[in-house]
Amino acid sequence: DAGITQSPRHKVTETGTPVTLRCHQTENHRYMYWYRQDPGHGLRLIHYSYGVKDTDKGEVSDGYSVSRSKTEDFLLTLESATSSQTSVYFCAIRSTSGVNKTIYNEQFFGPGTRLTVL
Amino acid sequence: GQNIDQPTEMTATEGAIVQINCTYQTSGFNGLFWYQQHAGEAPTFLSYNVLDGLEEKGRFSSFLSRSKGYSYLLLKELQMKDSASYLCAPSGAGNNRKLIWGLGTSLAVNP
Repeated sequence: DAGITQSPRHKVTETGTPVTLRCHQTENHRYMYWYRQDPGHGLRLIHYSYGVKDTDKGEVSDGYSVSRSKTEDFLLTLESATSSQTSVYFCAIRSTSGVNKTIYNEQFFGPGTRLTVL
Repeated sequence: GQNIDQPTEMTATEGAIVQINCTYQTSGFNGLFWYQQHAGEAPTFLSYNVLDGLEEKGRFSSFLSRSKGYSYLLLKELQMKDSASYLCAPSGAGNNRKLIWGLGTSLAVNP
């Protein structure tokens, strides 16, 4: 499972409240990602990080901010949650490995956080 | 633009073989991944192709043709536990290697 945990696993909150989701990894991977997954949309990238304090926007970054103050933690914050942010949120890391001269850069996913905004 | 096309749903019988096709258009290409996702769970990595040809891994094989923008995932000796969504995800070029995700193919394996 590449040592990825997410917390909380489930959260119900109200519109307008701030929410922070945490992704924690234990294997010192440089790249980390936050996705949301909704029916009819597949996985959509929110933000990603390529090192401590190095982050960049994905395709659906509006309403979200991230922080990475240490390698193992990548936080996703909804400053003022809206009902449209009800979703399942996945964190992922990018692993680099090699088999027979082929370099893999596969992403491994955390278990997900189911967020409901009422 | 960037686009991924996979069938939305497929059904197959336990013990059979099924092929899930994927066509893609990307600006830059650095290999293609296949993931499996069971309902309510996270996607899990199945295979990676960067060169043309077939990669075999147990009951699962994946094929890539870069010139045609085409890949397929072949599942042999289907089992009930193979009922899941299968996601084709080409990787963009550059250091960021972002994956481009389609909607996936929902496979139902019937007894």
